[in-house]
Amino acid sequence: GDSVTQMEGPVTLSEEAFLTINCTYTATGYPSLFWYVQYPGEGLQLLLKATKADDKGSNKGFEATYRKETTSFHLEKGSVQVSDSAVYFCALTPRNAGGTSYGKLTFGQGTILTVHP
Amino acid sequence: NAGVTQTPKFRILKIGQSMTLQCTQDMNHNYMYWYRQDPGMGLKLIYYSVGAGITDKGEVPNGYNVSRSTTEDFPLRLELAAPSQTSVYFCASSSTGKGAYEQYFGPGTRLTVT
Repeated sequence: GDSVTQMEGPVTLSEEAFLTINCTYTATGYPSLFWYVQYPGEGLQLLLKATKADDKGSNKGFEATYRKETTSFHLEKGSVQVSDSAVYFCALTPRNAGGTSYGKLTFGQGTILTVHP
Repeated sequence: NAGVTQTPKFRILKIGQSMTLQCTQDMNHNYMYWYRQDPGMGLKLIYYSVGAGITDKGEVPNGYNVSRSTTEDFPLRLELAAPSQTSVYFCASSSTGKGAYEQYFGPGTRLTVT
């Protein structure tokens, strides 16, 4: 079945450092890929998404590129802030031959990011 | 526009008790989902619904039941609660159509079974 693997955490960085969180996936066909963020005590929020190979999703300074050849969707940010401290989840939703899915998400285990001043 | 709301926020159950977790969305989304999040793990899909009257099992449905009588509401029922059901439960919804589905999540219900 489909699966998502994220780099193990937690990740601790100083403010303004460069961030990479690795994400690889296993899925049939052409899934849509997502990064969700969960701030302390809150539900998940969509951070960015990509629906086809070579698409780049971006939001709030974060970027991720859909790489079909390496089945990866790594999250990057050039300069992190204390307010970026959260749990980040990589996820996919399959797309069947009809081009639709029921939007069911398969999540990675999450990566805890802590940014210090 | 409140988005997805869940009640209660916290609950402690004794083994064998039952309860219903409530979920309501006001975005007129056809698709709704229930996930559980265990410590250090990603979210796992319990049940989902593609419209009123239509539900289906996800990855971890055992011990749970759902119903969908209206577009807005998607309650999750726990019968005979067990310690293994201690978790944080999230409800989500999304619109229909081809392509990527952005899911909107509620704030979660933290359930402890002792």
